[in-house]
Amino acid sequence: DAGVTQSPTHLIKTRGQQVTLRCSPKSGHDTVSWYQQALGQGPQFIFQYYEEEERQRGNFPDRFSGHQFPNYSSELNVNALLLGDSALYLCASSLTGSPALDEQYFGPGTRLTVT
Amino acid sequence: DAKTTQPNSMESNEEEPVHLPCNHSTISGTDYIHWYRQLPSQGPEYVIHGLTSNVNNRMASLAIAEDRKSSTLILHRATLRDAAVYYCILRRAGGTSYGKLTFGQGTILTVHP
Repeated sequence: DAGVTQSPTHLIKTRGQQVTLRCSPKSGHDTVSWYQQALGQGPQFIFQYYEEEERQRGNFPDRFSGHQFPNYSSELNVNALLLGDSALYLCASSLTGSPALDEQYFGPGTRLTVT
Repeated sequence: DAKTTQPNSMESNEEEPVHLPCNHSTISGTDYIHWYRQLPSQGPEYVIHGLTSNVNNRMASLAIAEDRKSSTLILHRATLRDAAVYYCILRRAGGTSYGKLTFGQGTILTVHP
C-alpha cells in the first residue's frame, strides 16, 4: 500500500514565478492537508481539502491556493513567489471521521527554493 | 488551539527508556493528546494519541496525568532510529478543527550509542 506521495521532490523557482505542488493521499483517505515548514521550525498549517472544497485555512495569504480532485489527490499553488516562501511543503492525508481514529499520514515533502 | 510546552531537547542512551514530557495546562475536556515525530529529512510520523486513559502501541506508550494537564511519551528502549523531533499536539474533537494540527517547536531527542 503506497503511502502519501508528493511531487516533485525538489524545486527551484525565481521570485515572482508561480509553482504547483502535487500530492496523492494514502489509499482510502479522503482528506488532504498542506503544511509549510521553514528550516528549524515546526510545520505550519496552510489549508485542508475535503470533498473537493477548502474546509479550513490557516494564516496564509491568498497567493496560496489549492485544489482537490475527485480521486482525492490535491495540488498546492503558490503565485508571485517570495524569497520567504522557500520551505519544505508537506502534504498529509487522513480519513474524516471520529477523532478517536484520527491519524494524519505525511508525505516526504517538496523542498521549494525561491531565488 | 490550546498550547503545549515541551523541553527544547533531551538526550538518551541507546536501549534505555526515554520519557518525553509535555505540559498542556489549558487543555479542554474534548482535546485529544497527539504525538508525532519527525526524523531527519522526512515528513512527520504519527506516534500515538489518547484522551484520558494511558495508551500503548507498538511504537510507544502515552501516560496521561489524572488532571490531563500533562502527559509523557514513553519510548521503552531507545534506538538510534528514534533520534527525531517529537511534537506534542492537542486536537479538539468536533467543532471545526477537522484534523488541523498545530505544531510547536517540539523536543529534539538525541540518542547516543
